[in-house]
Amino acid sequence: EIVLTQSPGTLSLSPGDRATLSCRASQSVTSSYLAWYQQKPGQAPRLLMSRASSRATGIPDRFSGSEAGTDFTLTISRLEPEDFAVYYCHQFGNSPDTFGQGTKLEVK
Amino acid sequence: QAQLVQSGAEVKKPGASVKVSCKASGYVFTIYNLHWVRQAPGQGLEWMGTIDPGAGSTSYAQKFQGRVTMTSDTSTRRVYMELSSLRSEDTAVYFCARGRSGRSKYPFDYWGQGSLVTVSS
Repeated sequence: EIVLTQSPGTLSLSPGDRATLSCRASQSVTSSYLAWYQQKPGQAPRLLMSRASSRATGIPDRFSGSEAGTDFTLTISRLEPEDFAVYYCHQFGNSPDTFGQGTKLEVK
Repeated sequence: QAQLVQSGAEVKKPGASVKVSCKASGYVFTIYNLHWVRQAPGQGLEWMGTIDPGAGSTSYAQKFQGRVTMTSDTSTRRVYMELSSLRSEDTAVYFCARGRSGRSKYPFDYWGQGSLVTVSS
């Protein structure tokens, strides 16, 4: 199975900062089938990026994604207060689906 | 607007089974797969498996093979996830989530609210 390793584990930033979250796959992800989710306490995850660089419906354009081989990046250009949460990457191109362990984005 | 509504919280003893339901509405039920993802307290997300509600075909994570059964009922637009031989490590919130498999895959765009399953003697 594909192992996804997210870094850093915790990212401490301030509103207005730029956030860069990383997800590294242990092998190639078929057809860039790598998604990103945001999860807040007590809530279900929310889909942000439906493929490596495709924003899901209704997601603001301050969220962007990129891919370089087996390295995937989620960038939030200017953090809003509501962006502080846990972020997960998810590959769905190869069975079984797998998730990264998460990056917690906290207020500095 | 698609919606997934799950059954309520459950408390089970070790060795018992639990069956969680997920009712879908607002979209064509048989076009999308439904997946089950669990999250232990304070932990990350773990994919358990998926079902094609129309065909009834399933695919399970190896970790849960032999212990999990996913079924669907097209008449009530519900899918079910049954987990047997429960142990304390199965204490978690269980989510159902909609995705698309096959040629045009799509990740999990709608999620249920989650069902807390607590395993305790």
